[in-house]
Amino acid sequence: DQQVKQNSPSLSVQEGRISILNCDYTNSMFDYFLWYKKYPAEGPTFLISISSIKDKNEDGRFTVFLNKSAKHLSLHIVPSQPGDSAVYFCAASAVDMRFGAGTRLTVKP
Amino acid sequence: ETGVTQSPTHLIKTRGQQVTLRCSSQSGHNTVSWYQQALGQGPQFIFQYYREEENGRGNFPPRFSGLQFPNYSSELNVNALELDDSALYLCASSYEPGRLNYGYTFGSGTRLTVV
Repeated sequence: DQQVKQNSPSLSVQEGRISILNCDYTNSMFDYFLWYKKYPAEGPTFLISISSIKDKNEDGRFTVFLNKSAKHLSLHIVPSQPGDSAVYFCAASAVDMRFGAGTRLTVKP
Repeated sequence: ETGVTQSPTHLIKTRGQQVTLRCSSQSGHNTVSWYQQALGQGPQFIFQYYREEENGRGNFPPRFSGLQFPNYSSELNVNALELDDSALYLCASSYEPGRLNYGYTFGSGTRLTVV
């Protein structure tokens, strides 16, 4: 059961521009949404989260937006840097956490 | 000591065998979750333990079982291994279920290959 979906397997952006990663979910019981970043041969690293009672959370270059009516969230990275190149996973949680399939972000110098 | 450590890092088993994967959670984290990540896919939830009791289970058969110990360590056991069990197995710890301001802390995983 794919409760969390990332429909774009890959995204390529130029250094300094904005990266926008998207995620959709189906379960309205999710109360926390998170983004993780994963490099090869490492486990996912927590990046940023948002509670379902908020619609925006910002941390430095990273901002997560939540649209509950559309069951959609997005991660904005501004400005994008080559070191941001990784696979990004969207996750959603009620008691346990469910992940999307990931989007591979490539930031070109 | 901080962080989550998993052992072994790589493992090769034969179909039909049994395997035990181990995880040492971050100190103070009472919750451990196990995930299976197949190539090119996101982590799939296997189960979660909270204070040594199973606290939720994903869509995995009973031959996947677990244990959590008081010393913040845990195990994932898989019986009667199948070729499709080949994947990266991730352990993740957190303070309590649902307290997710800081997310889960993941280990680097165990790469299991079933031949």
